[in-house]
Amino acid sequence: QSALTQPPSASGSPGQSVTISCTGTSSDVGAYNYVSWYQQHPGKAPKVMIYEVSKRPSGVPDRFSGSKSGNTASLTVSGLQAEDEADYYCSSYARNSYVFGTGTKVTVL
Amino acid sequence: EVQLVESGGGLVKPGGSLRLSCAASGLTLSNAWMTWIRQAPGKGLEWVGRIRSKTEGGTTDNAAPVQGRFTISRDDSKNTLYLQMNSLKTEDTAVYYCTKEYYGSFDPWGQGTLVTVSS
Repeated sequence: QSALTQPPSASGSPGQSVTISCTGTSSDVGAYNYVSWYQQHPGKAPKVMIYEVSKRPSGVPDRFSGSKSGNTASLTVSGLQAEDEADYYCSSYARNSYVFGTGTKVTVL
Repeated sequence: EVQLVESGGGLVKPGGSLRLSCAASGLTLSNAWMTWIRQAPGKGLEWVGRIRSKTEGGTTDNAAPVQGRFTISRDDSKNTLYLQMNSLKTEDTAVYYCTKEYYGSFDPWGQGTLVTVSS
């Protein structure tokens, strides 16, 4: 199972928006609505930010939103804040297994 | 509040074995689908495998790179999840996290335990 493709980096100034893409195949992202997104700060465990493509767990700011079209999912962070600077990973179910994205480092300028 | 605490990591030689543990509080592991995920130093996340809940048969699925070498199990009396790792390779070096699978996502996560495979 190949990793999902994410851009290595993304950046924006405080208050701006940034969108991260996650491209898979018709066997993973395109086949299931079990796409999730994780935020990871250095030295910390990942934290789920979006599940089932576009749902936000309790406690996650509504600045974070998710969507999917075909084999590509996206995470948008609106109103960027300094604490949003982190690595972000997407994940998709893929028939009795899961595949993660390559990861995107988001920098707040 | 659910807490997951991994332990058992350390330095092991190639070809060796190690068993990781994940102790849970605030969650009955037998009722949950539990997953192991790893992260090599400076690299991305990699799904290792999972165990279904007791009512779903407690069966396991493993990722291809660890199939036949790693085994996931659970001790319901201790409310603890295990990852038995045999025939370890240098490429198994990583921080190993246990986490609960929930509607195709993973939450919460433990703090992770580092496994280093090196001669």
